[in-house]
Amino acid sequence: QQQVKQSPQSLIVQKGGISIINCAYENTAFDYFPWYQQFPGKGPALLIAIRPDVSEKKEGRFTISFNKSAKQFSLHIMDSQPGDSATYFCAAETGANNLFFGTGTRLTVIP
Amino acid sequence: GAVVSQHPSRVICKSGTSVKIECRSLDFQATTMFWYRQFPKQSLMLMATSNEGSKATYEQGVEKDKFLINHASLTLSTLTVTSAHPEDSSFYICSAILMSGLAPDTQYFGPGTRLTVL
Repeated sequence: QQQVKQSPQSLIVQKGGISIINCAYENTAFDYFPWYQQFPGKGPALLIAIRPDVSEKKEGRFTISFNKSAKQFSLHIMDSQPGDSATYFCAAETGANNLFFGTGTRLTVIP
Repeated sequence: GAVVSQHPSRVICKSGTSVKIECRSLDFQATTMFWYRQFPKQSLMLMATSNEGSKATYEQGVEKDKFLINHASLTLSTLTVTSAHPEDSSFYICSAILMSGLAPDTQYFGPGTRLTVL
């Protein structure tokens, strides 16, 4: 059973646009929600993360919005650039460092 | 900081041979490391959790006798794929948890190892 559901599977955005990736979970024991960026042939790199006591976290062009009651969180990439083209994974973790990944979103930013 | 390396980055081997993949935390100590495998266009699947000085904990369905894990020090874990077969061809990625109090829950990932078994 997929612990973290992610959508869309793929996303095409024009340069300068906003990319939005959504994730949902059921397990209320999750207490840490990181997002990873992965380029082809490379390992995932931590992009930004949030804890459930915060509703939003922003780092540069990347923002996580977190809705605890709905058990949903999303990644917004503002002013999307071709260099942002990659696969993005949301994840959720319990205190025991059990990290559950979403299925991934392949983002393509068109120049 | 928090750099994790893997070696080799790519390996091609013949069916029936064994392959060892190393995972190192370069600038921090990691009591816990994780091994994942990833098939093309799919998410990461946790194979096992490696704890320094003790036996690894394997996920359901992962053969511990086929995927040998050794975590001999706080900076090194190795994964040995024994008697490799073509179906073992995959992208293997390790991660390590930074022990400092700054971000204890963050897994830092290595660059991955592409294994191709002929």
